[in-house]
Amino acid sequence: GNSVTQMEGPVTLSEEAFLTINCTYTATGYPSLFWYVQYPGEGLQLLLKATKADDKGSNKGFEATYRKETTSFHLEKGSVQVSDSAVYFCALSEGTGGFKTIFGAGTRLFVKA
Amino acid sequence: GAVVSQHPSWVICKSGTSVKIECRSLDFQATTMFWYRQFPKQSLMLMATSNEGSKATYEQGVEKDKFLINHASLTLSTLTVTSAHPEDSSFYICSARDASDTQYFGPGTRLTVL
Repeated sequence: GNSVTQMEGPVTLSEEAFLTINCTYTATGYPSLFWYVQYPGEGLQLLLKATKADDKGSNKGFEATYRKETTSFHLEKGSVQVSDSAVYFCALSEGTGGFKTIFGAGTRLFVKA
Repeated sequence: GAVVSQHPSWVICKSGTSVKIECRSLDFQATTMFWYRQFPKQSLMLMATSNEGSKATYEQGVEKDKFLINHASLTLSTLTVTSAHPEDSSFYICSARDASDTQYFGPGTRLTVL
């Protein structure tokens, strides 16, 4: 079945450091890929998405590229801020699965000033 | 952007009672809504897919008689936890899918069963 694997956290970085959170997926078809963010005490928010191979999703300085050859969708940001501290979830959604969204385990990011 | 609300945001109940959680899409119609459960510091686990006017589709291992789902209109789905027990304590999150297949998530409902 479909699944998402992302790097375990927590990840602790200093402000302005470079961020990478790895995500790989297993899917039977051609899924759409997502990164969601959950700030403390809040619900999930869509951060970015990509719907086909080689697409790059970007938002708020975060980027992720849909790599079909490596089945990956790694999240990157060139310079993190304290306000980026949150839990980040990689996810996929596939039409053949009724558009259900399958989430990774989540990676908690702490950014120190 | 689109907004999904949940009510209540938190609830405490006694063991054996039933609790109803509402999920509403406030500014769009959602033919499909999803219910998730999130344990502390863990990911979201899909419980069921709720389609307006039809029976919900439950994921393997989810008891449909315990977690009753009703999707009565294009903007409202409800999850009722029947005869709740302490092990049902969790964070329940709904999402609604709009016409462009974008999912919007509610803020979640924290259930504590004493």
